[in-house]
Amino acid sequence: AQSVAQPEDQVNVAEGNPLTVKCTYSVSGNPYLFWYVQYPNRGLQFLLKYITGDNLVKGSYGFEAEFNKSQTSFHLKKPSALVSDSALYFCAVRDPYSGGYQKVTFGTGTKLQVIP
Amino acid sequence: DSGVTQTPKHLITATGQRVTLRCSPRSGDLSVYWYQQSLDQGLQFLIQYYNGEERAKGNILERFSAQQFPDLHSELNLSSLELGDSALYFCASSVRDTNYGYTFGSGTRLTVV
Repeated sequence: AQSVAQPEDQVNVAEGNPLTVKCTYSVSGNPYLFWYVQYPNRGLQFLLKYITGDNLVKGSYGFEAEFNKSQTSFHLKKPSALVSDSALYFCAVRDPYSGGYQKVTFGTGTKLQVIP
Repeated sequence: DSGVTQTPKHLITATGQRVTLRCSPRSGDLSVYWYQQSLDQGLQFLIQYYNGEERAKGNILERFSAQQFPDLHSELNLSSLELGDSALYFCASSVRDTNYGYTFGSGTRLTVV
């Protein structure tokens, strides 16, 4: 069974500082990995994905994520945080070798608070 | 606007009642997914439909049911509602499978009183 863990319920970072939101996963094969962001009273918005290729994936709003197969991690990063980045961030995984139309499993979410 | 439309945005109903949540997927998307988001349980997958057929089932209660119609819109039916069913219900859609991520609607906030 596939699973994803976000070990931090909340991450606080000062505006202008680099940010990292952690994610680890478990799948039986090579994973498809995703990051989504949710602003208050809104649906989730797709940020970026890793399917194959370069381990560093660039996404929307200046975010990037690094796939590390040996550590089974897919941490979300941004070089310089903005107050407007404050939101709830979800990591998600799909095992493409499960067959059929396998669902995506979401983590529990990490609240990012950027302090002015 | 993500292209996925959910109605109603807010719903307040009493325990024991039945409600229907509606989702219109993004144009061209054949798959529809329903998720429940509550404070204590995070984002829980309920059910997936592809082109009118059920494809995957998650933590969906027997009191809940869903279907996808020929025009690809989907409805989630919640019956014998309990206080604990109060949550945000999201619909998401994708073209076929999930290689390129989902597109989420803005959700229906259900409050059971």
